[in-house]
Amino acid sequence: EAQVTQNPRYLITVTGKKLTVTCSQNMNHEYMSWYRQDPGLGLRQIYYSMNVEVTDKGDVPEGYKVSRKEKRNFPLILESPSPNQTSLYFCASSFKGGLAGYSYEQYFGPGTRLTVT
Amino acid sequence: SQQGEEDPQALSIQEGENATMNCSYKTSINNLQWYRQNSGRGLVHLILIRSNEREKHSGRLRVTLDTSKKSSSLLITASRAADTASYFCATDPTSGTYKYIFGTGTRLKVLA
Repeated sequence: EAQVTQNPRYLITVTGKKLTVTCSQNMNHEYMSWYRQDPGLGLRQIYYSMNVEVTDKGDVPEGYKVSRKEKRNFPLILESPSPNQTSLYFCASSFKGGLAGYSYEQYFGPGTRLTVT
Repeated sequence: SQQGEEDPQALSIQEGENATMNCSYKTSINNLQWYRQNSGRGLVHLILIRSNEREKHSGRLRVTLDTSKKSSSLLITASRAADTASYFCATDPTSGTYKYIFGTGTRLKVLA
């Protein structure tokens, strides 16, 4: 089954304790992305990756790191989490065509609800 | 940061009625997509319309795009209780980056 998986699904942690949220897709997609969703703000893009070893900042990258060492995996790292990073996080992937402007639908993971106290 | 806006923020209708929600955006785009999200779950892609298209249909969904007004609408016909969800538009700007910009969403409630 084509899917995007995220782990963990729920996480409660304390300020400053480094954590990693994993994301994996089995569709051989080039494009992967992380979003956070907060009430009233919709989804905001944190980081995205066009392919292995190619990443770039979204609109809200501060406090986050990513890496793309393999095509299927795109972990999100919070080196020193703070309470304002309490949010619902989504990983997504899509095939991104080589032609300029040719985008495809994104497939979303089930979400990770993070609470930082 | 730039962001799309959906209108209305919330909509409540009776089963069988049509639901229309609108999305406005600020920059030139390559395409616009609509997604559905059931309470707290991952988003599911509904339909994609490219900047050179004006209207697209998929089942009970009809999407229009007016690039001159930088707006799009999603029409769900003959709504069902199962359509109860939040609906988001997402744009892919022509800025040369590969960012996506999501709107704040419309919460639709279909009453049985």
